[in-house]
Amino acid sequence: AQSVTQPDIHITVSEGASLELRCNYSYGATPYLFWYVQSPGQGLQLLLKYFSGDTLVQGIKGFEAEFKRSQSSFNLRKPSVHWSDAAEYFCAVGLYNQGGKLIFGQGTELSVKP
Amino acid sequence: DADVTQTPRNRITKTGKRIMLECSQTKGHDRMYWYRQDPGLGLRLIYYSFDVKDINKGEISDGYSVSRQAQAKFSLSLESAIPNQTALYFCATSDTTGGELFFGEGSRLTVL
Repeated sequence: AQSVTQPDIHITVSEGASLELRCNYSYGATPYLFWYVQSPGQGLQLLLKYFSGDTLVQGIKGFEAEFKRSQSSFNLRKPSVHWSDAAEYFCAVGLYNQGGKLIFGQGTELSVKP
Repeated sequence: DADVTQTPRNRITKTGKRIMLECSQTKGHDRMYWYRQDPGLGLRLIYYSFDVKDINKGEISDGYSVSRQAQAKFSLSLESAIPNQTALYFCATSDTTGGELFFGEGSRLTVL
């Protein structure tokens, strides 16, 4: 069965430090991959997406993610975290052979220390 | 105005009551979805619709029903609410297979 795993439930980083959020997926074909961010009391906003081509994708707010087929991973990175990045982050896989519905990971909550 | 609008934004109800959450969109998308968010579980798909005549169950459809009244409107109903349906509910839309989802701001439902 298809699934998405985000191993880290909660991460705390210092402002200015680098960030990597992990995401692993299980899917029998090349996936469409997404990272969404949810600020408190808000809906989900798309950070970036991978459909094909270059495995390093750039997103909004200085985020990037790298698709590694051999590891079934799509980790999210940011070189320098800002206090406003504190939020919950969701990785998702799009099942194009099932009409494109998205399956989400459990989420990683990011806290930023001053 | 938001592209995907959910009403109500907050609702407190009692066990056994019927509840309807409504979603409307101005994006012109054919595909609409209802997800439920619970802490530690992420978002789980309840129902989805690829057009007005197409309704599909998601992974957790038991206890829920939906209605696609028009391309722009997709409602989620709880016929007899129970406390473990307390959650944050999101409506979303998309226009292509595998495309990104556009989310509403969520409807927080509490069942006492």
